[in-house]
Amino acid sequence: NAGVTQTPKFQVLKTGQSMTLQCAQDMNHEYMSWYRQDPGMGLRLIHYSVGAGITDQGEVPNGYNVSRSTTEDFPLRLLSAAPSQTSVYFCASSYSTGVLETQYFGPGTRLLVL
Amino acid sequence: AQKITQTQPGMFVQEKEAVTLDCTYDTSDQSYGLFWYKQPSSGEMIFLIYQGSYDEQNATEGRYSLNFQKARKSANLVISASQLGDSAMYFCAMREGQGAQKLVFGQGTRLTINP
Repeated sequence: NAGVTQTPKFQVLKTGQSMTLQCAQDMNHEYMSWYRQDPGMGLRLIHYSVGAGITDQGEVPNGYNVSRSTTEDFPLRLLSAAPSQTSVYFCASSYSTGVLETQYFGPGTRLLVL
Repeated sequence: AQKITQTQPGMFVQEKEAVTLDCTYDTSDQSYGLFWYKQPSSGEMIFLIYQGSYDEQNATEGRYSLNFQKARKSANLVISASQLGDSAMYFCAMREGQGAQKLVFGQGTRLTINP
């Protein structure tokens, strides 16, 4: 199993450009989420999905779109990049058995917006 | 109000000593989950341990244990016999409610293990 994979690892954008951060998982997890981590801070939730076709907003959703057409993939779209979106982006997938839970994180994408 | 509070921005510990990283949380939900993650300098988030709000026993995973004090809303991470490789940022996080996979993170504690 590859676990949670993210591409690209690093990206530089100019203000106003758009791009899609890719996230895929091969563990058949229902739940997937996107977080951002700014310097010196913990992660903050951008969007999440509880299954294919179902998405919802997290704490900091403005400027981002998501969709979940398959169980495996959960791309994050930046519509018009701004310097404030410079951050490290983590995708996560998770499962719950009712007793045990865990969230697996991808390696992250470092985004620099100039 | 912050939902997860980690009051120790940094800690320095001698190798082989035990270390406790503090975490307090705030929620009105009866069902919630508490997580600890390790983030080494390479940047990845490594899951360490999970505690459900209904679990009566403290969670343990190898050298990691979670000291869960529900009445005090406290979920401290204890690392026994610290190693140099334990040097990293440590984040406490909470999942509120059931089924929702939304984590709220604290600001983290930077742990440095001295030889």
